[in-house]
Amino acid sequence: EVQLVESGGGLVQPGGSLRLSCAASGFTFSAYAMTWVRQAPGKGLEWVAAISADGAGTYYADSVKGRFTISRDNSKNTLYLQMTSLRGEDTAVYYCARNQPDPISGSYLGCWGQGTLVTVSS
Amino acid sequence: QPVLTQSSSASASLGSSVKLTCTLSSGHSSYIIAWHQQQPGKAPRYLMRLEGSGRYNRGSGVPDRFSVSSSGTDRYLSISNLQSEDEADYYCETWDSNTRVFGGGTKLTVL
Repeated sequence: EVQLVESGGGLVQPGGSLRLSCAASGFTFSAYAMTWVRQAPGKGLEWVAAISADGAGTYYADSVKGRFTISRDNSKNTLYLQMTSLRGEDTAVYYCARNQPDPISGSYLGCWGQGTLVTVSS
Repeated sequence: QPVLTQSSSASASLGSSVKLTCTLSSGHSSYIIAWHQQQPGKAPRYLMRLEGSGRYNRGSGVPDRFSVSSSGTDRYLSISNLQSEDEADYYCETWDSNTRVFGGGTKLTVL
């Protein structure tokens, strides 16, 4: 069974840092690109960042570019999101998701974790 | 970059059918989308992938009460024989050049 389990969320002050982890199991982690998506309280889904299967390619939403870093350790089957210079508007549940290659082009999000809550507040 | 537009809410009676719409921005009618369901307090769940031609793939364990179709820039998710557990937020997703876009979501209420 495919499982994605996020951890590392919590309360952090504005300007602070936090590192999220996503432990993957039930599939060959190193074969899949991965994505972070967030959801602010009462709001919709927002794409945050993505990383290629081998970690060589990383991509970010403009809202987090320069502040967040996505990475992965394929030997540990773990995805990370390092968040710095955090702001109130970064408060959200953060989900990791596995990219499912599309038969035509690109990929869609085929499997989601349960999410971890990040609260940025003084 | 494509934009996805969804109605904010929809409602239908238990046992009836409903059709949700996700509209792609002009010039993006060939884009593939995916539908996701998010039940209250839960993580999103992938439902189905849908091409502009109407070809689709269903996610594992998704009941055949859920179906999809396409017309021009519109992508539809239809749910028949509505059950109480279908009350959820439904999001469409698409992708382009290493970025990903979500619609604003439709909150479905089962009466």
